Amino acid sequence: SQQGEEDPQALSIQEGENATMNCSYKTSINNLQWYRQNSGRGLVHLILIRSNEREKHSGRLRVTLDTSKKSSSLLITASRAADTASYFCATSGEQFYFGTGTSLTVIP
Amino acid sequence: DAGITQSPRHKVTETGTPVTLRCHQTENHRYMYWYRQDPGHGLRLIHYSYGVKDTDKGEVSDGYSVSRSKTEDFLLTLESATSSQTSVYFCAISDFGSGGPYEQYFGPGTRLTVT
Repeated sequence: SQQGEEDPQALSIQEGENATMNCSYKTSINNLQWYRQNSGRGLVHLILIRSNEREKHSGRLRVTLDTSKKSSSLLITASRAADTASYFCATSGEQFYFGTGTSLTVIP
Repeated sequence: DAGITQSPRHKVTETGTPVTLRCHQTENHRYMYWYRQDPGHGLRLIHYSYGVKDTDKGEVSDGYSVSRSKTEDFLLTLESATSSQTSVYFCAISDFGSGGPYEQYFGPGTRLTVT
């Protein structure tokens, strides 16, 4: 399988803390994307980082990419209860390969 | 949500019956995808389309077929449903640029139960 793998599988933090989740993948990529999925809903795109980029920011999100290690991380700063969701990384060529996700719980 | 709808949203069917799921987009995106989502497996690609009448297999294509006769519609067919095809099915759309694919937009999902 060419799936990415997120780590940890589950993460529970207090509101206001930062949440970091990691993604490792196996193949060369055009770009890497992070998605959020709330329970019972479809996935929502969060951020895309291209293979020639090392870091990208979007609001409270910070994504890094290390192509030499085939890994990426997603940092959510100052977490809120509404950030409770599952987070997936996806690597993309013509097809997209999703990891199994990190389940984040933010406790109010 | 981007203009993607899936129908039906829920379906219960018996083993051995044919089932067709429909994905409809209003965004005129070139690429359309069908995924299934199961606990412990994340999203797995079933089939995708890169244009009208142009389709290709994904990671878990056995037992599934697809058709795309119009830009806006992508159909997923289970010719003879099995219990192992009980899952949540998501359709997604995407476009491509010179740097590779853009983000995917997902439909709301179809929960299929095969009894």
